[in-house]
Amino acid sequence: QKEVEQDPGPLSVPEGAIVSLNCTYSNSAFQYFMWYRQYSRKGPELLMYTYSSGNKEDGRFTAQVDKSSKYISLFIRDSQPSDSATYLCAMSMDSNYQLIWGAGTKLIIKP
Amino acid sequence: EPEVTQTPSHQVTQMGQEVILRCVPISNHLYFYWYRQILGQKVEFLVSFYNNEISEKSEIFDDQFSVERPDGSNFTLKIRSTKLEDSAMYFCASSVLRRWDTQYFGPGTRLTVL
Repeated sequence: QKEVEQDPGPLSVPEGAIVSLNCTYSNSAFQYFMWYRQYSRKGPELLMYTYSSGNKEDGRFTAQVDKSSKYISLFIRDSQPSDSATYLCAMSMDSNYQLIWGAGTKLIIKP
Repeated sequence: EPEVTQTPSHQVTQMGQEVILRCVPISNHLYFYWYRQILGQKVEFLVSFYNNEISEKSEIFDDQFSVERPDGSNFTLKIRSTKLEDSAMYFCASSVLRRWDTQYFGPGTRLTVL
């Protein structure tokens, strides 16, 4: 069983739609849950992270963690063509421990 | 805005050859990292470097790999005797603190081994 699983997509939605991106994981010791955005030919860029369970909101982005189900989500409201990118989840047991990454979901927002 | 830069953007090499991938981290950063991402697969941690020595490395980072900070600005990854399976994107990252949430990634070098 892979430690972190993420549907590679692509996920194609019309502009303005609400996007839901998800990851599942197997290691219950993970405490930090991150979402990165990666544009084509660029390195990953940290979007937001959540510690333990709960929600975190930043503008149009909301991250959710359900530790009981070992499931995390990233919601994007009012999606824009500029949100088109690959979104990677990553997890860690500690703030300075190695990250364990998902394979990324390619998101396409159609104008 | 300061950024991590990497050269070359694309490196093509023959199997068995040595390659050196170069990175210029952000100037006031103290921690340096290499990651790789095989096409279609997840990002994998290779090594972290601090105070002129390796602080952590993964199982992938075997004797074929080495890192160096030859001067005050560059951070290099050397891959000796490249194999077909070394073909991947290699990302350099740097950070002020030993925390992943302070890491900045470079744009990557695409390594193609023929």
